[in-house]
Amino acid sequence: AQSVTQLGSHVSVSEGALVLLRCNYSSSVPPYLFWYVQYPNQGLQLLLKYTTGATLVKGINGFEAEFKKSETSFHLTKPSAHMSDAAEYFCAVSQGGGNKLTFGTGTQLKVEL
Amino acid sequence: DTAVSQTPKYLVTQMGNDKSIKCEQNLGHDTMYWYKQDSKKFLKIMFSYNNKELIINETVPNRFSPKSPDKAHLNLHINSLELGDSAVYFCASSQDPAQPQHFGDGTRLSIL
Repeated sequence: AQSVTQLGSHVSVSEGALVLLRCNYSSSVPPYLFWYVQYPNQGLQLLLKYTTGATLVKGINGFEAEFKKSETSFHLTKPSAHMSDAAEYFCAVSQGGGNKLTFGTGTQLKVEL
Repeated sequence: DTAVSQTPKYLVTQMGNDKSIKCEQNLGHDTMYWYKQDSKKFLKIMFSYNNKELIINETVPNRFSPKSPDKAHLNLHINSLELGDSAVYFCASSQDPAQPQHFGDGTRLSIL
């Protein structure tokens, strides 16, 4: 079975500050890992993914995440927050078998002036 | 061009009614999904179809019946709607497990 834990349902940062959203996973096989962003009243948009290869992956809008197998983590970071980054962020894991995505409970990011 | 499109965007209906949500993808993907997002934003998979065949059914009540007439379409029919069915339903598609899923904008279902 696979599962995802996102620590912190709400994260607040100042504009220009570092963004760090935490994600830990459990998977019985090497996982595929994803971060999605959801803006109000919209669907989910892919930020970045890890499947194999380089453990530091870069995504859209300046976000990146690092796969750390020893820590079973896939934390999302952005060096400098922008007001437009305010949204709900979901970490998800897939391990094949129909490509079922298991989502974390989400982290709402608030960016303050 | 919209990659994954769902209709309707909003659906308000009374308890006990039957309703359908349609989903179409123009990405040429083989696999399509339905997810339910509850009021706390929690997302959970309901169904997955690969080339019109059901491959995932996550203990969803049998009042929910997905139908895939072809691999580009996956519709969701719900019988005897209950208050607890109020949620946002997302359709998604993907080509294979290593590729990300593409999501529609969701259908917000409200039961009165």
